[in-house]
Amino acid sequence: QKEVEQNSGPLSVPEGAIASLNCTYSDRVSQSFFWYRQYSGKSPELIMSIYSNGDKEDGRFTAQLNKASQYVSLLIRDSQPSDSATYLCAVNIRAGGTSYGKLTFGQGTILTVHP
Amino acid sequence: SAVISQKPSRDICQRGTSLTIQCQVDSQVTMMFWYRQQPGQSLTLIATANQGSEATYESGFVIDKFPISRPNLTFSTLTVSNMSPEDSSIYLCSVDWGDEQYFGPGTRLTVT
Repeated sequence: QKEVEQNSGPLSVPEGAIASLNCTYSDRVSQSFFWYRQYSGKSPELIMSIYSNGDKEDGRFTAQLNKASQYVSLLIRDSQPSDSATYLCAVNIRAGGTSYGKLTFGQGTILTVHP
Repeated sequence: SAVISQKPSRDICQRGTSLTIQCQVDSQVTMMFWYRQQPGQSLTLIATANQGSEATYESGFVIDKFPISRPNLTFSTLTVSNMSPEDSSIYLCSVDWGDEQYFGPGTRLTVT
């Protein structure tokens, strides 16, 4: 079983719709969860971080975390063509209460928002 | 967040040669990381570089192939040694900043 799995893509949504990206992880000690956006030919850009169960909203983005189900998701409301990119889910394992720093990435989901 | 730069941004190298990639941060950071992103793939951690100690390598990566230096809190280098076409990838450095991790622009390496 992969440590971090994302829903298979590519995902195509019309402009203005909600895009839903999902991620599951296997290690129960994982404490920090991140969503990165990566445009073609660019490096990953951090768009959301979440550490506790529930929802976290930032503009059009909402991250949802359910540690019991080992599940984290990203919702993009009012999707725009400029949101077309690969979205990477990343999980940070923290050992012994200190920052371990190691990020494990999912395989990424390609999102296309069409006008 | 910290501003991270990498040199070179891209390079084409012949097999059997080595390339050293530099990563510079505009602020002092404790932990720096080196990742590899092979074509069409996600990111894989190569090693963690802490100032004043040996780098910690992930499974599948060895110091002889990917030697790392971390001379101070704002700079690190990754060398890709004795390159083969399979080393063609994007190499990214990143830093821990307030419990979050930020990436440099990457170095696109092509080995012919």
